[in-house]
Amino acid sequence: SAVISQKPSRDICQRGTSLTIQCQVDSQVTMMFWYRQQPGQSLTLIATANQGSEATYESGFVIDKFPISRPNLTFSTLTVSNMSPEDSSIYLCSVSGTGQETQYFGPGTRLLVL
Amino acid sequence: GQNIDQPTEMTATEGAIVQINCTYQTSGFNGLFWYQQHAGEAPTFLSYNVLDGLEEKGRFSSFLSRSKGYSYLLLKELQMKDSASYLCAVRASGGSYIPTFGRGTSLIVHP
Repeated sequence: SAVISQKPSRDICQRGTSLTIQCQVDSQVTMMFWYRQQPGQSLTLIATANQGSEATYESGFVIDKFPISRPNLTFSTLTVSNMSPEDSSIYLCSVSGTGQETQYFGPGTRLLVL
Repeated sequence: GQNIDQPTEMTATEGAIVQINCTYQTSGFNGLFWYQQHAGEAPTFLSYNVLDGLEEKGRFSSFLSRSKGYSYLLLKELQMKDSASYLCAVRASGGSYIPTFGRGTSLIVHP
């Protein structure tokens, strides 16, 4: 299994500012993903973080709002830009197991935008 | 697209058995996952089914019927610590390895 850490674990931010969330994995992985989980809701995929190329975004999510970096096979960042209260959510980093039969999740970053 | 349906909430008694159902509609099928998520924590992997039948893993079992678009997670000898949200996730065929998650079933185990 993969051990995933995220920083920060939580933050309270002002409207209009940006926050960058870091995700670190203890082993090299091919697939890394960013999810959002709003209160009482399930997981919504934001994008797939591709190493060495632009992220692949899901419908409803754009690069200007959620820029993603993936400089190597163990690290990725997600930035939530120009935040509004609607961005208050838990943001989770995830990776696929080697057989892609499992998916592991980081502890999440709890974001509150005032 | 995909549509995944599971009950919003269930309650059960400690020591009992509970079955959490999940029905899905998808264009092609390439696996179904169950995850457990305790409040304030990340989801943890429980099971993966890609063929019809029952997969048993300790107190937890997962069943799949592809023809019916149906799965269930069976929890035996319930413990208080089993109180959590249980997420059903389905992966469609066609190249993407990314599953789509249902809204989750909140299970409350009481003494």
